[in-house]
Amino acid sequence: GQQVMQIPQYQHVQEGEDFTTYCNSSTTLSNIQWYKQRPGGHPVFLIQLVKSGEVKKQKRLTFQFGEAKKNSSLHITATQTTDVGTYFCAELDNSGYALNFGKGTSLLVTP
Amino acid sequence: EAQVTQNPRYLITVTGKKLTVTCSQNMNHEYMSWYRQDPGLGLRQIYYSMNVEVTDKGDVPEGYKVSRKEKRNFPLILESPSPNQTSLYFCASRPPGFPGELFFGEGSRLTVL
Repeated sequence: GQQVMQIPQYQHVQEGEDFTTYCNSSTTLSNIQWYKQRPGGHPVFLIQLVKSGEVKKQKRLTFQFGEAKKNSSLHITATQTTDVGTYFCAELDNSGYALNFGKGTSLLVTP
Repeated sequence: EAQVTQNPRYLITVTGKKLTVTCSQNMNHEYMSWYRQDPGLGLRQIYYSMNVEVTDKGDVPEGYKVSRKEKRNFPLILESPSPNQTSLYFCASRPPGFPGELFFGEGSRLTVL
């Protein structure tokens, strides 16, 4: 079942403001993946984090994996309207095969 | 073009009328899975398949069946659909390796009346 909790559920920002979504687990994660789903679209892979304390950047997006590998965050600097969508984190379950998704954070950006 | 193809994309049906949602991928991926997405509940896994003839239940398998007779296809079968199966369904596949990104189909929106 779902092991990861995402907060907040919704976030509404003005264009240019920063945005952060958090993914938390009560157990140690082997890895964490992040996906973005645009309105009306399907989830699209953004990144995977594997190492403790890992930080990866993709332009205005910064992904972090906690030192204890129990939490992760996605930070967007200076949001744009193209950032609108739902951001999901996902973790590998105990089977080692199935990816369990958090409930997602829906981001709305107004111009 | 590498892709996961689902059909139908939209379907309205009635309670009890058997239906199949097809899923096909052209990337030679061994792993395939089905998710349903409902407001406030995120993506929940229904079934997954590690390879041909190998399937396993996800978090919400009740009311669904799957088969994996060929590597490229992974159909989702609703033997007797009920209104609580009204949802947006996504098929996904993944290449081998740890654990690899999921490639999603465009989704199938199903309404059961």
